[in-house]
Amino acid sequence: KNQVEQSPQSLIILEGKNCTLQCNYTVSPFSNLRWYKQDTGRGPVSLTIMTFSENTKSNGRYTATLDADTKQSSLHITASQLSDSASYICVVSSYNNNDMRFGAGTRLTVKP
Amino acid sequence: DAMVIQNPRYQVTQFGKPVTLSCSQTLNHNVMYWYQQKSSQAPKLLFHYYDKDFNNEADTPDNFQSRRPNTSFCFLDIRSPGLGDAAMYLCATSSPGGSTDTQYFGPGTRLTVL
Repeated sequence: KNQVEQSPQSLIILEGKNCTLQCNYTVSPFSNLRWYKQDTGRGPVSLTIMTFSENTKSNGRYTATLDADTKQSSLHITASQLSDSASYICVVSSYNNNDMRFGAGTRLTVKP
Repeated sequence: DAMVIQNPRYQVTQFGKPVTLSCSQTLNHNVMYWYQQKSSQAPKLLFHYYDKDFNNEADTPDNFQSRRPNTSFCFLDIRSPGLGDAAMYLCATSSPGGSTDTQYFGPGTRLTVL
């Protein structure tokens, strides 16, 4: 059973617009949540990582939020660029950091 | 600057012909992982090494084996590739030192099975 659910599955936006991607999880006990960006045909690249006590973290135009009570996270992309077109993957880890659950990802397409 | 290196980037093999994918790292990380990722799906963990300790996922087929001769290198051996094994294979590393260590991924090897 997949314990990390991402939505939407895919998203198309115009260049310059903002968007928000969602991640809901049931992984327990919770250790940390990461967002990765994966370009087509490449390995994932880490964007943010948050622990239980953190509720927001930014990396340039990317801002991740975490609500550990409701077990929800979001990734907000501001002023999107064509290079933001990629899959965004949410990964939730349990206390044993080798137990990581991957979401299926959101495929984002930014159009000019 | 490459920290996790995978070779080759693209590999073509024939049905049933053994193939080995390689991964090396310059980060001196304790943990190395192998993932299989099929199109439009999340990466699926096959196994990982914590130093020399090998940890196999319960649903990883016996067809997949791994070797880690030293800290820097890790290999994925597919003994008899089937058509269903065509996928991107991702290597990753991490160095557990708390709850916020990052996992670093290689660029992946795209395996085609003819």
